[in-house]
Amino acid sequence: QSALTQPASVSGSPGQSITISCTGTSSDIGGYNYVCWYQQHPGKAPKLMIYDVSSRPSGVSNRFSGSKSDNTASLTISGLQAEDEADYYCTSFTSSSAIIFGGGTKLTVL
Amino acid sequence: EVQLLESGGGLVQPGGSLRLSCEGSGFTFRNYAMTWVRQAPGKGLEWVSGISFGGGDTYYADSVRGRFTISRDNSKNTLYLQMSSLRAGDTALYYCAKVKWELHGAIDPFDYWGQGTLVTVSS
Repeated sequence: QSALTQPASVSGSPGQSITISCTGTSSDIGGYNYVCWYQQHPGKAPKLMIYDVSSRPSGVSNRFSGSKSDNTASLTISGLQAEDEADYYCTSFTSSSAIIFGGGTKLTVL
Repeated sequence: EVQLLESGGGLVQPGGSLRLSCEGSGFTFRNYAMTWVRQAPGKGLEWVSGISFGGGDTYYADSVRGRFTISRDNSKNTLYLQMSSLRAGDTALYYCAKVKWELHGAIDPFDYWGQGTLVTVSS
């Protein structure tokens, strides 16, 4: 199964908002409300930021929010901060009882 | 504090085998599904395999099905990944991760991750 489609890179200035898209199919994103987003800083393990499309784990800033429409999920980061600069990955459960990752998006805070 | 410690990585020739281990602590290991995720050097994350909390249900990515076997020993708080018929494309940092939900059939989301163990497949 092909990876979910994410933009390779996005950028924004401190204080601004950015949105990262994640496009799949009706066999993954469109078929289930099991979309997650992970943040990964260089040399570090990934960190869960959003699960079940729009839920935030405890300890994750409310500047991070998730949504989904049809086969596309989105991660929005508001009030960008320098520490948000990282790679972001979406995932979805699939009809094959597997997990599929997006290709990753590099966020640059200008 | 939840901790996951992977081990077993190393250099292996194409066609060879390797077994990775992941020891969990700081949580009731037997109550949580677990997973393996890998990351090739400079590349993105790829889900590899998952296993239910009891070990009775296993799941695999198409890229490894038939070559890799996931298992767990709840008496030792340890997750395993037996890898065989290894290829250059299997070269990656292999992470183990814990699923968020206790006593649940879900194989994600992954709320705690180890630091990874590096597998290099090369002659």
